[in-house]
Amino acid sequence: AQSVTQLGSHVSVSEGALVLLRCNYSSSVPPYLFWYVQYPNQGLQLLLKYTTGATLVKGINGFEAEFKKSETSFHLTKPSAHMSDAAEYFCAVSSDFLGGSQGNLIFGKGTKLSVKP
Amino acid sequence: DGGITQSPKYLFRKEGQNVTLSCEQNLNHDAMYWYRQDPGQGLRLIYYSQIVNDFQKGDIAEGYSVSREKKESFPLTVTSAQKNPTAFYLCASSLAASNEQFFGPGTRLTVL
Repeated sequence: AQSVTQLGSHVSVSEGALVLLRCNYSSSVPPYLFWYVQYPNQGLQLLLKYTTGATLVKGINGFEAEFKKSETSFHLTKPSAHMSDAAEYFCAVSSDFLGGSQGNLIFGKGTKLSVKP
Repeated sequence: DGGITQSPKYLFRKEGQNVTLSCEQNLNHDAMYWYRQDPGQGLRLIYYSQIVNDFQKGDIAEGYSVSREKKESFPLTVTSAQKNPTAFYLCASSLAASNEQFFGPGTRLTVL
């Protein structure tokens, strides 16, 4: 079974500061990992994803994440926060799509990011 | 523009009434999904469909029903058997053999 844990339901940073949102996963098979962002009362937008290959993944809006197998982590970072980054962020895990439910996404409970001026 | 549409954006219903949420996509995706989102709970899978005329229960299917008569459409009915239907409902779709999902804007259902 797969699962995702996001450490910290709320994170607050100052504008210009480093953003670090933590995600740890559990998977018995090689994972596919995703970060999505959600603005209030909107759907989810894909920020970035890891499937295979390079473990440092770059996404939209200056975000990146590093897959660390030994730590079962996929933390999301951004060097300098902007006010527009205030949103809720979801980490998700899946496995290689083999049909059935195995390709489905399992989501963490989310982390709300606040950015102070 | 290709995308996923959900309607309506806000929906109010009286307790005991069935209500159907619409989800349409023009991305030519094979698979479609329904999620329920509650504050602090993340997204929980209600139903999914990988092909027309076939669908499977997700983790919280009780009190919900779906149909998949067309590739583009995957409506969700919230029945009176759903004990706590007030929530934000998200529809998503993906290509076959892909787990990258694209999301609609959501429908906020409030049961009075």
